[in-house]
Amino acid sequence: QSALTQPASVSGSPGQSITISCTGTSSDVGAYDYVSWYQQHPGRAPKLILYDVSNRPSGVSNRFSGSKSGNTASLTISGLQAEDEADYYCNSFTITTTPTVFGTGTKVTVL
Amino acid sequence: EVQLVQSGAEVKKPGESLKISCKGSGYRFTSYWIGWVRQMPGKGLEWMGIMYPGDSDPRYSPSFQGQVTISVDKSTSTAYVQWSSLKASDTAMYFCAKSHYESSGFRAAFDIWGQGTMVTVSS
Repeated sequence: QSALTQPASVSGSPGQSITISCTGTSSDVGAYDYVSWYQQHPGRAPKLILYDVSNRPSGVSNRFSGSKSGNTASLTISGLQAEDEADYYCNSFTITTTPTVFGTGTKVTVL
Repeated sequence: EVQLVQSGAEVKKPGESLKISCKGSGYRFTSYWIGWVRQMPGKGLEWMGIMYPGDSDPRYSPSFQGQVTISVDKSTSTAYVQWSSLKASDTAMYFCAKSHYESSGFRAAFDIWGQGTMVTVSS
């Protein structure tokens, strides 16, 4: 099971919106709406920011939103803030022998 | 408060064995999946495997099958991952994580993470 494909880096200015894509196959992203997204700051544990494609856990800013079309899921960060500078990983349930798989990760830079 | 507390950093030599732990508290340990994640220095996140403590049946990612053993002790709400013979390439940060949903049906969302255990393997 290969990692899901994400852009290596995305950047934006404060206040702008950015979108990170996560491309898989019909065996993972396209199979069910079981895609989650994680934010990881340097030296810290990952933090769940979206689950089941577009649901936000309690306490997560509504500036984070998610969607899915076919085999590609997307994370949008609106009103970009300095604190959003971090690595972001998508994750999907898979119907193969691998129970779940991460994306390759995207470094978000706030200009 | 729901939390996962992992054991401390380890420095080992190649060929040595190791078992690191992840203790859950504040929730029904047997009803939520536990997963283990490897992050090599400067690299991305990789799933090693997951387990539903209710049936203690680990499911490994192919890259880790036969390389590590995942287990749980339900009596102490603790999950473990162990190596029988470490390699330098096992040097990494290891995280445990708890599933968001209380169910034996796996839905690939993990809401609580341990603080991480750094494992360094060097001669």
